[in-house]
Amino acid sequence: DQQVKQNSPSLSVQEGRISILNCDYTNSMFDYFLWYKKYPAEGPTFLISISSIKDKNEDGRFTVFLNKSAKHLSLHIVPSQPGDSAVYFCLGGSSNTGKLIFGQGTTLQVKP
Amino acid sequence: DGGITQSPKYLFRKEGQNVTLSCEQNLNHDAMYWYRQDPGQGLRLIYYSQIVNDFQKGDIAEGYSVSREKKESFPLTVTSAQKNPTAFYLCASSITGGTLYGYTFGSGTRLTVV
Repeated sequence: DQQVKQNSPSLSVQEGRISILNCDYTNSMFDYFLWYKKYPAEGPTFLISISSIKDKNEDGRFTVFLNKSAKHLSLHIVPSQPGDSAVYFCLGGSSNTGKLIFGQGTTLQVKP
Repeated sequence: DGGITQSPKYLFRKEGQNVTLSCEQNLNHDAMYWYRQDPGQGLRLIYYSQIVNDFQKGDIAEGYSVSREKKESFPLTVTSAQKNPTAFYLCASSITGGTLYGYTFGSGTRLTVV
């Protein structure tokens, strides 16, 4: 049972354009969501988070949007830079159970 | 510097042997987690612990065991019962069992069973 789904395994965008990474979830117990970035053979690094009581959180070039009725969230990166090329994971978390679930990841390639 | 240390980075074992992966943190975090990554499957939760001397199974706990005798340490044992142990293993920790402020991950251990 994949509780957090990232249906696009890969995404390629041109430098300077917007990157939009999507994530769907099925578990209504999630009350917060995180986005992490991962390079090969390294641990993931934290990017941005959002509480389920909000619909938007912005941090510099990164913005996360949450649509609770659709159980969908997205990460926008504007403008995209070649250094953003990595695997991006969407995570759903429950403060009640302490459980944190990863999506499958989306590989973003930003072309110069 | 505070952080999570996973050792070793690469580990080779013969089939049928148990192997223990180390995870140590000096962040004073209460919660710790173990994940496994396989190609094309993202990271899957093996075990997690919200407090010392307590832990819960994740989605793929079969063939694995853990202990949490100290706050700083959460070792994972891959037993011979695990059918496909070759994978990349990640350990993580957080302040509490759930937080908006992110989780800290180790750099991972790549286990290869031959």
